[in-house]
Amino acid sequence: GENVEQHPSTLSVQEGDSAVIKCTYSDSASNYFPWYKQELGKRPQLIIDIRSNVGEKKDQRIAVTLNKTAKHFSLHITETQPEDSAVYFCAASTVTGGGNKLTFGTGTQLKVEL
Amino acid sequence: GAGVSQSPRYKVAKRGQDVALRCDPISGHVSLFWYQQALGQGPEFLTYFQNEAQLDKSGLPSDRFFAERPEGSVSTLKIQRTQQEDSAVYLCASRPREGSDTIYFGEGSWLTVV
Repeated sequence: GENVEQHPSTLSVQEGDSAVIKCTYSDSASNYFPWYKQELGKRPQLIIDIRSNVGEKKDQRIAVTLNKTAKHFSLHITETQPEDSAVYFCAASTVTGGGNKLTFGTGTQLKVEL
Repeated sequence: GAGVSQSPRYKVAKRGQDVALRCDPISGHVSLFWYQQALGQGPEFLTYFQNEAQLDKSGLPSDRFFAERPEGSVSTLKIQRTQQEDSAVYLCASRPREGSDTIYFGEGSWLTVV
């Protein structure tokens, strides 16, 4: 089955700096890569996603890049703010007999310090 | 409703008790997923429904776990003879239709087995 690895597990940046979180996946058939932000005790919330026919996608301060050949994808947050502090999960979607199933990474705890 | 609703939000069970966790997906959503999230980990897939059909239950950890969605809307995840290792957040998610990628999570049911 699919295996998603994510690093770093913790990331501390100064407010205004950029943050980068990287993931790798194992199943070359995976074709959809969402990123979720999860605050303590809250639901995972989709912040950006990318499909395998696109190399890069940007939404204001957030961007995601995908390298299908290397099976890497990354989340980039620019001009970080304290409210960006949360756990971020990458995921890869694999088509099963019953539909797409998300496999998640282990998460990155991002802390934005004043 | 506006989002995926889960109940109870918090459940403390004595080891050996049976528990039932309820999920109300977004109205009209065809697909429904259950995930298990242990403390400090990413969500792990348990099972998937398309309408009332359970098409993938490969992630259920043992035969003590059972899920149903008899009328294709509300779903129940049942855990029999709970054990301490069952302590986790159980997340339900729904998706509008086959062919769409984005899934929407509920706030989760926090289960603690003592």
